[in-house]
Amino acid sequence: LLTQSPGTLSLSPGERATLSCGASQTVNNNYLAWYQQTPGQAPRLLIYGASKRATGVPDRFSGSGSGTDFTLTISRLEPEDFAVYYCYQYSDSPSFGQGTRLEIK
Amino acid sequence: QVQLVQSGPEVKKPGSSMKVSCKASGGTFSANSINWVRQVPGHRPEWMGKIMPILGMTDYAQRFQGRVTITADKSTGTVYMELNSLTSEDTAMYYCGRALNFYDGFMVDPWGQGTLVTVSS
Repeated sequence: LLTQSPGTLSLSPGERATLSCGASQTVNNNYLAWYQQTPGQAPRLLIYGASKRATGVPDRFSGSGSGTDFTLTISRLEPEDFAVYYCYQYSDSPSFGQGTRLEIK
Repeated sequence: QVQLVQSGPEVKKPGSSMKVSCKASGGTFSANSINWVRQVPGHRPEWMGKIMPILGMTDYAQRFQGRVTITADKSTGTVYMELNSLTSEDTAMYYCGRALNFYDGFMVDPWGQGTLVTVSS
């Protein structure tokens, strides 16, 4: 079970965003990904293997963590970053967290 | 780049079955796996299962075991996801997504465009 916090994060463009994802059991091999979703679109892959950026993802996005605690950091928010973010573990019984909504303050 | 094109929206009666397709264009599935994820509006995505088309290997989420079947037609490069005994709780957007590995794969971009399935009497 993946639990994300906070549920909603209100920030301004240019600020730093820190999103958390906690797992009830160790995520084997750090098989943890982060996805971004905007309304009406499929999720977009940002991070895999806890810290590896997917192709074409801006370097303001970074992932960290291991074991049961993971973090997605967006260093300086751009207007297009306001969306819903999901963590996803793909080791045993793949599952998504409940999401963090990043909204403009 | 492999694009995934899904079949169109469906309206189903409770108790019936649905079958959604996902066709690869611009490439082949190779050793990839195709995953199915559904999402009720306003809720988290939910992984349903996957298939490695070239071998026909499948894996299903426990909560859908016995109700979902994922198959592949290698000749047409199409993967199908069938879900039986539909209820209103199966109303959702259904996505297919390609993963580079079967056992430890995460879905890479682009996903299919999604298929909205509405279950209503």
